[in-house]
Amino acid sequence: DSGVTQTPKHLITATGQRVTLRCSPRSGDLSVYWYQQSLDQGLQFLIQYYNGEERAKGNILERFSAQQFPDLHSELNLSSLELGDSALYFCASSPRSTYFGTGYTFGSGTRLTVV
Amino acid sequence: GESVGLHLPTLSVQEGDNSIINCAYSNSASDYFIWYKQESGKGPQFIIDIRSNMDKRQGQRVTVLLNKTVKHLSLQIAATQPGDSAVYFCAELNTVNFGNEKLTFGTGTRLTIIP
Repeated sequence: DSGVTQTPKHLITATGQRVTLRCSPRSGDLSVYWYQQSLDQGLQFLIQYYNGEERAKGNILERFSAQQFPDLHSELNLSSLELGDSALYFCASSPRSTYFGTGYTFGSGTRLTVV
Repeated sequence: GESVGLHLPTLSVQEGDNSIINCAYSNSASDYFIWYKQESGKGPQFIIDIRSNMDKRQGQRVTVLLNKTVKHLSLQIAATQPGDSAVYFCAELNTVNFGNEKLTFGTGTRLTIIP
């Protein structure tokens, strides 16, 4: 157990629908990152939150949004889902800065299947 | 823009032999690098990291080498075991962007250990 909890583990939904993925960071970590991993692809950075505030954005679609709550858990909202949104979505957390050798800690991911 | 690439998408190694996984990065401003291991159905797992002021770092059975001149990173795994079979990602980070610590990942190398 990495300490980063993602729910649900699996999600199957239809095109056009909206889903919410949830992430609880490791205790004490202030930063939360969301990544998308398509089949046999690398991890594409979507968005970062630090202590409740958006800090960095990657190639995140306008149909996607995220937020980090006061208790530091984060939610990734995916709307108007398309078949191409099917992927593994990972959440990672880190302390204030990754420079201190700890790197990120990843959750086990949510597998989203859009049918 | 930033990119991290891997020279070999797949690598098969006999059990007990050493393996070397290579990675090229393009952002000369990157000053922190991490290797991750991802097993099937799991999130990436931190293996080892290295800062740009170092050219070599050793862990348990793993060694990371950094050549900033040619912007090249490698992961050496000694005495490979069946449990080493996984996809390995390198990732880079520019820590000067404090608060914007998004790792950029390569596409990964699938390492298969042959019994």
